[in-house]
Amino acid sequence: DQQVKQNSPSLSVQEGRISILNCDYTNSMFDYFLWYKKYPAEGPTFLISISSIKDKNEDGRFTVFLNKSAKHLSLHIVPSQPGDSAVYFCAASSNSGGSNYKLTFGKGTLLTVNP
Amino acid sequence: DARVTQTPRHKVTEMGQEVTMRCQPILGHNTVFWYRQTMMQGLELLAYFRNRAPLDDSGMPKDRFSAEMPDATLATLKIQPSEPRDSAVYFCASGPGQIPRNEQFFGPGTRLTVL
Repeated sequence: DQQVKQNSPSLSVQEGRISILNCDYTNSMFDYFLWYKKYPAEGPTFLISISSIKDKNEDGRFTVFLNKSAKHLSLHIVPSQPGDSAVYFCAASSNSGGSNYKLTFGKGTLLTVNP
Repeated sequence: DARVTQTPRHKVTEMGQEVTMRCQPILGHNTVFWYRQTMMQGLELLAYFRNRAPLDDSGMPKDRFSAEMPDATLATLKIQPSEPRDSAVYFCASGPGQIPRNEQFFGPGTRLTVL
C-alpha cells in the first residue's frame, strides 16, 4: 500500500527550463511534506518542505506547491541546472498527536538536466 | 560540519553470516531512523528510536533483524543470519525530533551484498 506515490520514474529536461516533479498521497492525515535530493553513492539530503497550512513554499530556484484537495504536491525547479540531476524523493508525515516522527517516502523520480 | 556517519560503507558477505552496521547520529539529535533502499521498494523505514527508546520496528523482519541504541552516539542494525534478499543500501538518519518540522539528516549509507 503505497501512501506516497511518485508516478514518474524519470524526467528529462533541458538546462534553463523548468523541471516539475509530481507527488500524490493517499493518507489524509499527512500534514507535512518534504522533498529530498539524492546523488549516487550518497544519502538523501533535505531540499524543501511545506506544511499543510500553506499551499506554496519557495526557496531560491525551488518551489513546492501543495493542493490538499487533490492530495497532490509538486516541486518546481527554475531554471534547471545540470547539477540538479539526481533522484528526488517526496516524503510525508502525520504529526497530529505530536508523537509521530516517521516519514513515508515515495519511490523517487530520476531527474536528468541536459546541458 | 555535523553529519551522520555510517560504517562500513560497503560490506560483502556470504549467506548465513552476521552483519552489523553502525551509525553515529548528529550530536543533539534525539531521533534515529534505519532505512533500506531497494530498486523495487524505494526507501523503506525499518525502525526508529527517540531518546534511544525504540518507537517503531514494524518495518523490520524480526526473526533476523535487530536494531539497538547502546548510547546516544551509536545506533546498530544487525542481520543474523543474512540472506541474499537482504542485499540493499541501508541508510541511517537522525533528526532533532521537532514537530512538525521533522526533517531527517541521512548518512552516506552501507551498501550490503549477500552472496
